Amino acid sequence: GQNIDQPTEMTATEGAIVQINCTYQTSGFNGLFWYQQHAGEAPTFLSYNVLDGLEEKGRFSSFLSRSKGYSYLLLKELQMKDSASYLCAVGLKTGANNLFFGTGTRLTVIP
Amino acid sequence: ETGVTQTPRHLVMGMTNKKSLKCEQHLGHNAMYWYKQSAKKPLELMFVYSLEERVENNSVPSRFSPECPNSSHLFLHLHTLQPEDSALYLCASSQDRAQPQHFGDGTRLSIL
Repeated sequence: GQNIDQPTEMTATEGAIVQINCTYQTSGFNGLFWYQQHAGEAPTFLSYNVLDGLEEKGRFSSFLSRSKGYSYLLLKELQMKDSASYLCAVGLKTGANNLFFGTGTRLTVIP
Repeated sequence: ETGVTQTPRHLVMGMTNKKSLKCEQHLGHNAMYWYKQSAKKPLELMFVYSLEERVENNSVPSRFSPECPNSSHLFLHLHTLQPEDSALYLCASSQDRAQPQHFGDGTRLSIL
C-alpha cells in the first residue's frame, strides 16, 4: 500500500525560512509533487522531483531522497500570502491511483 | 488560473435529487480526473479519463457516475447521495498521467 506522512500544522514568522517535511512509503514510485492550496481554492502545482537532489524555483525549493523515502519543501523569505496548505503527493507508475496525496500541512505565517 | 473551469461552485441537494457537476479544460490536456476532498482527509482520486478511456477507483460508490464526452469536458452525475458525500469535488487535468495536474476551483457539495 501507499502511505505519506507530513506534519498537520506549522507556524512561522514573516521573512523567515520554513521547511515542510514529507516521508513516504510506496511501490512504483514515479516522482514527488508539491502543491499549494489556499483555503477555498484549487491546489496549484509548485514542484516536481523525480531524481535525488534539490530543485530551486524562486523562493521555493524542493528536495528528494528516494533511498530514504523523504522530501521537503523549503520556503524562504516568508510572506503572509504563503499561509496555505502544502500537499505532498507521490506519483505512481501503475494502477488507477496515479497520484497519491498526503493530508497536507497547514502553514500559518505570522507577522 | 482559468485553465480548468468547474460549475457550479456550490451545490446543495437532497438525498433523492439528481444533479451533475461539470468540468471543462482549455489546456489541450489528454487526461482528466475527479477528486473528492473532505475535511482533514487527503485528496481521494475517484475517476481518471485518459484519452477518453476510463480508469476508476473501485471504492467509489455507484451513486457517482462519470462521463467524458471528449478530451475537454468531464461530468460527474450524482444520484441518491448520502450526507457523508458532502465535500469539495475537484476536477483536474494533465498532459498525460505522469505530468503535473492542474486543478479547478472545485464544487462545494452539501447533501441535506
